[in-house]
Amino acid sequence: SQTIHQWPATLVQPVGSPLSLECTVEGTSNPNLYWYRQAAGRGLQLLFYSVGIGQISSEVPQNLSASRPQDRQFILSSKKLLLSDSGFYLCAWTFKDRGLSYEQYFGPGTRLTVT
Amino acid sequence: AQSVTQLDSQVPVFEEAPVELRCNYSSSVSVYLFWYVQYPNQGLQLLLKYLSGSTLVESINGFEAEFNKSQTSFHLRKPSVHISDTAEYFCAVTPFGNEKLTFGTGTRLTIIP
Repeated sequence: SQTIHQWPATLVQPVGSPLSLECTVEGTSNPNLYWYRQAAGRGLQLLFYSVGIGQISSEVPQNLSASRPQDRQFILSSKKLLLSDSGFYLCAWTFKDRGLSYEQYFGPGTRLTVT
Repeated sequence: AQSVTQLDSQVPVFEEAPVELRCNYSSSVSVYLFWYVQYPNQGLQLLLKYLSGSTLVESINGFEAEFNKSQTSFHLRKPSVHISDTAEYFCAVTPFGNEKLTFGTGTRLTIIP
């Protein structure tokens, strides 16, 4: 079966510091990968998605970036955090072959507080 | 482009009472529809989905949703709620052949003992 991991689970960082959040998927290959941010009362905002190694699509202009150095690894980064970057960050994956499944599978999330 | 509207941001319901969480969508093409549930400080879990076939779909824990194409709705219902149903519920759509989901803003369901 497939599993998705995110770390760290919680993070408190000062404004202006760098950020690196990691997501890994096990039990499948060549998945589509997604980063979402969830702010209080605002639902889920898609930040980035990737259909393969090194292929990143950005949905929202901001001071965040994403990378996919390996097939099942997705990293969310920032060089300098802003207060507005606080939120709950969720990673998700789907099968590349949509005939297998159409839904997205979510990780446990990372709670980021920028102080 | 697609959009999803969940008009009710919060729904309080007494335990064992019925509940309906509303979801309406807008799309110029055919879509697949989903309901996800999020318990506090956790990721999202798929509750149920509509891909094709019967317009009434059910989950293993008593929830059901009905796809209504003419009203572009996919409302979620449960005849009798329990304390354990306290969570946030998200409706989502994806067009055929698209890799991305569009989510609604969520409905927080609170069960009153």
